[in-house]
Parts: sequence; C-alpha cells; structure tokens
Amino acid sequence: AQTVTQSQPEMSVQEAETVTLSCTYDTSESDYYLFWYKQPPSRQMILVIRQEAYKQQNATENRFSVNFQKAAKSFSLKISDSQLGDAAMYFCAYRGPVSNSGYALNFGKGTSLLVTP
Amino acid sequence: DVKVTQSSRYLVKRTGEKVFLECVQDMDHENMFWYRQDPGLGLRLIYFSYDVKMKEKGDIPEGYSVSREKKERFSLILESASTNQTSMYLCASSLAGGLTETQYFGPGTRLLVL
Repeated sequence: AQTVTQSQPEMSVQEAETVTLSCTYDTSESDYYLFWYKQPPSRQMILVIRQEAYKQQNATENRFSVNFQKAAKSFSLKISDSQLGDAAMYFCAYRGPVSNSGYALNFGKGTSLLVTP
Repeated sequence: DVKVTQSSRYLVKRTGEKVFLECVQDMDHENMFWYRQDPGLGLRLIYFSYDVKMKEKGDIPEGYSVSREKKERFSLILESASTNQTSMYLCASSLAGGLTETQYFGPGTRLLVL
C-alpha cells in the first residue's frame, strides 16, 4: 500500500489565525486522488477537500485550501480564520488508480488540531 | 444527503464470541468499506466490497470476514473475538467511478472485547 505520512501528531492554533497541516505521500503513479478528512470529537468523519492529481490548480473550499506539490509528493491543508469548530483530528488520504487498488483509501495517522480562544 | 448508519455506537463482547457489525447506506453506492481506527495508527482497511456478494481483502483482514448480500448492507464479522480486536470500527461507502470519489463514513462502532 502507498504510504501517507502526517508528520505532525498535534497542532495548535488560535482562533482567527491560519494553520497548515502537512502531508506527504509515496507513489509511482501519475493519476490519483488526495483527500483531507476531518473527524470531530463526535467521531463522524467528513470530507474537507479533495484534489485530483491531474489538476494543477490547488483545490479550495471556503476557508480550507490545499498546497499540492506533485513533484514533491506533498499535500498540505491550510485552514484560514480558524474557528473553534475546526478542532478535530484531520486525516490525509490517498487513492490510487482503480485498477491497482480498487477504490480504497490509504490514510495517514492523523493530526490532532486544537483551536484556542 | 448520504447517510451511512452502523448498528451500534458501543459494543462490549467477551473473548471467543462471534460479533456482527452492521452497516447500511441509503444512497445506492456500489462500494462499501470497513476500516479499523486505533490511536496513533490512523485508519486501516479491513475489507471492501464493490458489488453485491463481492469482497476484497484490505490491509488487515486476519480475524475478520464480511458479508454483502444486499447492495445497501455490508456486515463485518469477528468469528471469535479477541482482545486485540478492541478498537473503533468505521464503515464507509462510495459511488463507483465517475466524478465522485468521496467516501462517506458512518458514526463508528467502538468495540471492547473483554
């Protein structure tokens, strides 16, 4: 399975500030998908943002944006204007070509984000 | 909205018991998945299914089996529960192919095996 690495087990940010969560991955494929999922204390995992590898433009969803560096195999998540509700565990995930691995995701170990008032 | 439900939020079982974890999705998704989540290890794929009666092993299938008799339901079975299977179990579903690759997750089942 492809390796997804989240090097920051925990991060902290003050309300209204910006924080960046890091993710790197290892693959020899050129076509793949990358995701950031959020898991709040209630435990329901929800999708934050997704990026198709063939798209050069970085994905953006409101206050969430990514910095996708394909050559460096890096996929970081930037959260702007942080809110208390952003506190959660964040998982980076990779999905390769369907022919190789089906539709399953490979997840990193997660980064716990704390938001302080 | 896609809804993925799991039969129990919390479950306590004894070693050696047969355990069934049920997952149901209401969006006619072809793909369904079972993950196990442990602190410091992230999510690890146990099994997945891309069609009724079809199943594929994930990264950690040992000690588990699955059943998919109907498209909307995917069951995870622990034939003989052991203490090292104490964990959070997450079910997910997704639409096959097309533009939508998102996996939708259920709320999870926290299983304690004594």
